[in-house]
Amino acid sequence: AAGVIQSPRHLIKEKRETATLKCYPIPRHDTVYWYQQGPGQDPQFLISFYEKMQSDKGSIPDRFSAQQFSDYHSELNMSSLELGDSALYFCASSPDRGRRTEAFFGQGTRLTVV
Amino acid sequence: AQKVTQAQTEISVVEKEDVTLDCVYETRDTTYYLFWYKQPPSGELVFLIRRNSFDEQNEISGRYSWNFQKSTSSFNFTITASQVVDSAVYFCALSEASGGSEKLVFGKGTKLTVNP
Repeated sequence: AAGVIQSPRHLIKEKRETATLKCYPIPRHDTVYWYQQGPGQDPQFLISFYEKMQSDKGSIPDRFSAQQFSDYHSELNMSSLELGDSALYFCASSPDRGRRTEAFFGQGTRLTVV
Repeated sequence: AQKVTQAQTEISVVEKEDVTLDCVYETRDTTYYLFWYKQPPSGELVFLIRRNSFDEQNEISGRYSWNFQKSTSSFNFTITASQVVDSAVYFCALSEASGGSEKLVFGKGTKLTVNP
């Protein structure tokens, strides 16, 4: 069965650079979530989209922005990267806004800022 | 606000021992979902279970079992006859319906080490 695809799997950037993470949800899933997991931390909700519209926002820095495109894939853009942005970034998708079943997580993108 | 507490930061057991991971949650919602995820050293989040707040039946899946008690706001996870491959960080999570979508609030996780 198709899973949530995240790319790239690993990314190394320098401070003050920009990074773009991509997420391709499971077909026919209408909701996408982004989570950030710092080293030794639990995943923290960043932002979600339902039918290409932002549905909720968590503790996402102003330097970060995200959108969901017409084909339902989503991108998380991070600018002016800081060392503290080094983390594992998960994307998850679900049908029907997560009300019928659990969200399915991608394998994550490990971002290292040096 | 929703909150999930996993009081055990780290647990170390010897293979074949039974181990229980505790999870206590706080919510004002009457309808919510509870989850357990496993995160092995490779980093991916592996879904283990999703439980509706109206379903307090215990569940067993192979060596895994879950005990949901609304009266104590707990959703504990037991691994029977643990194996080295069970070594991972385990997260308990609570769904929070806001903005129409079900985002997850995670506990801090319990790192389980199973020694041979």
